[in-house]
Amino acid sequence: DTGVSQDPRHKITKRGQNVTFRCDPISEHNRLYWYRQTLGQGPEFLTYFQNEAQLEKSRLLSDRFSAERPKGSFSTLEIQRTEQGDSAMYLCASSLSAGKRKGTEAFFGQGTRLTVV
Amino acid sequence: DAKTTQPPSMDCAEGRAANLPCNHSTISGNEYVYWYRQIHSQGPQYIIHGLKNNETNEMASLIITEDRKSSTLILPHATLRDTAVYYCIVPGRGSARQLTFGSGTQLTVLP
Repeated sequence: DTGVSQDPRHKITKRGQNVTFRCDPISEHNRLYWYRQTLGQGPEFLTYFQNEAQLEKSRLLSDRFSAERPKGSFSTLEIQRTEQGDSAMYLCASSLSAGKRKGTEAFFGQGTRLTVV
Repeated sequence: DAKTTQPPSMDCAEGRAANLPCNHSTISGNEYVYWYRQIHSQGPQYIIHGLKNNETNEMASLIITEDRKSSTLILPHATLRDTAVYYCIVPGRGSARQLTFGSGTQLTVLP
């Protein structure tokens, strides 16, 4: 299976600690997205990369959050000084870019479930 | 983003067709309609997308009205494994084309 993979699947951390998640997109996909999903809600967009460039960030992405995609391949999402409100599922998705008149689907990983205690 | 409206929940008998409606009355001429679903505790799964014409793949059919203001996702023979939250999405026009997930429709397939 060459789908989107995320690691770890689950992470429990103490408040104030830093955590880092990894996403490996589908190999030929140049776009990579991070989303956050809290219980009972749909996923919310956090940030987006086209190749190695981070082109858009949501206002949900506070200063404690940072994402990278070195060399345009895998991506990491780091949360510094975690808070209980950061507890959520963090989802990664990848897709191919397409012209404005073409649709292109995004493929999601299984997510990393973060619990801050 | 074009706003979408979906019923919060629907039931369907196993083996019957599930028809999930979506309203997107503010959609513009070159915006696609996408459908995703999310089975409990899993990442969203792409189902199908379309622009103007009806589309069919191995998972589902998508019927888009002529005025493009609404669409219907059809699962022709629903199984228990199709129980999930189904999201109808019209992505943003910006370069990111990120997906804005609403509340979706919780489809429950009943035995």
